[in-house]
Amino acid sequence: AQTVTQSQPEMSVQEAETVTLSCTYDTSESDYYLFWYKQPPSRQMILVIRQEAYKQQNATENRFSVNFQKAAKSFSLKISDSQLGDAAMYFCAFGGSQGNLIFGKGTKLSVKP
Amino acid sequence: DTGVSQDPRHKITKRGQNVTFRCDPISEHNRLYWYRQTLGQGPEFLTYFQNEAQLEKSRLLSDRFSAERPKGSFSTLEIQRTEQGDSAMYLCASSLDGVTGAYEQYFGPGTRLTVT
Repeated sequence: AQTVTQSQPEMSVQEAETVTLSCTYDTSESDYYLFWYKQPPSRQMILVIRQEAYKQQNATENRFSVNFQKAAKSFSLKISDSQLGDAAMYFCAFGGSQGNLIFGKGTKLSVKP
Repeated sequence: DTGVSQDPRHKITKRGQNVTFRCDPISEHNRLYWYRQTLGQGPEFLTYFQNEAQLEKSRLLSDRFSAERPKGSFSTLEIQRTEQGDSAMYLCASSLDGVTGAYEQYFGPGTRLTVT
């Protein structure tokens, strides 16, 4: 069975600084997708970034980028130039052959002005 | 169509009552998913549909839970004889079909259920 582990329950970053959120996963599949979702307080889940396992190049979306290490089964999210609006719960998710997503427990990110 | 919608947004019910939630997916999406999220946890998969066919069900989905997607459009999730442990946020998501599209899921705002 696939598992997703986020080892940082909470993280804090100063506005305009850079922060990295960690995620590891376990799977025996070779083709899969990895995602980072953002869930602001009392608001709905938003897709931040997606990585296809067969692509070696790390995905980037504006200030958000990932460090995907397939052999190590690691998928971290880097947020550059952090903004107050980045404060939220961040969930790492695995999408494999079953079709559904498997989520980690999340990391609560606080941004200090 | 602006996104996935869910109704109601909040539901308070007494233990033992039945409740039903509705989800309307993004119109061109043929896959629809239900997840449950408890406080401090990530969403847990319950079930999903491709068009009107229910393709996968989690072992979390006890026989008190039933989901339908008639005509492959909106979906309903019914919980019979609710228990306090059913209190959670119930999330609906939708996606396109296909190798790439199937995994990019878009979530609704959720229905928060409180069982007293």
